[in-house]
Amino acid sequence: DIQMTQFPSSVSASVGDRVSITCRASQDIGTWLGWYQQKPGKAPKLLIYAASSLQSGAPSRFSGSGSGTDFTLTISSLQPEDFATYYCQQANSFPYTFGQGTKLEIK
Amino acid sequence: QLQIQESGPGLVKPSETLSLTCTVSGFPISSSSYYWGWIRQPPGKRLEWIGNVFYSGTTSYNPSLQGRVIISIDTSKNQFSLKVTSVTVADTAVYYCARLDRDPDNNWYFDFWGRGTLVTVSS
Repeated sequence: DIQMTQFPSSVSASVGDRVSITCRASQDIGTWLGWYQQKPGKAPKLLIYAASSLQSGAPSRFSGSGSGTDFTLTISSLQPEDFATYYCQQANSFPYTFGQGTKLEIK
Repeated sequence: QLQIQESGPGLVKPSETLSLTCTVSGFPISSSSYYWGWIRQPPGKRLEWIGNVFYSGTTSYNPSLQGRVIISIDTSKNQFSLKVTSVTVADTAVYYCARLDRDPDNNWYFDFWGRGTLVTVSS
């Protein structure tokens, strides 16, 4: 199985800050990576697919980059509704696997 | 408007079978453009993909579940279902059903999720 590792596991930031979260795959997955946002008690929401494509309806302050084994999710200017947990997921091969999550907290 | 809803028992005894149904409304699961999947999240742990099903009945499963999983689809009811046999406490989790959409390179992502249902395995 492809192992997905995110860092940091948690990050504190303020409204208006620029924040980046990293995801590393245990082997080359091309650009076949998605990013999801999950708020407590709610279903995950797809933000980015194919490493850098913005999902319809996701705010433009979210962007993704990377290829191969290293990927980054960037939020350009944090809004209050962005405080949540973020997961990466590889779509390169079965079984699909997810990162352990990065919790974004208010400073 | 697409809505997805999981349903089923919230408590299952060890060694028994966990059965959940996902009801889709506002969109036909008979569409050949999407897969339908199950994902779970044990308390305090990461999301784990369980398996997918296509409208034709074609399935893919996570080998980690060691042949204990069956996913089926009923297009007449616009539902798909999950069965996990011989459950243990390790199967305690929030179970989500979701739709999968593909990117231009035919890779699949979970683009719409249900709100999830907690299933506890306990005697």
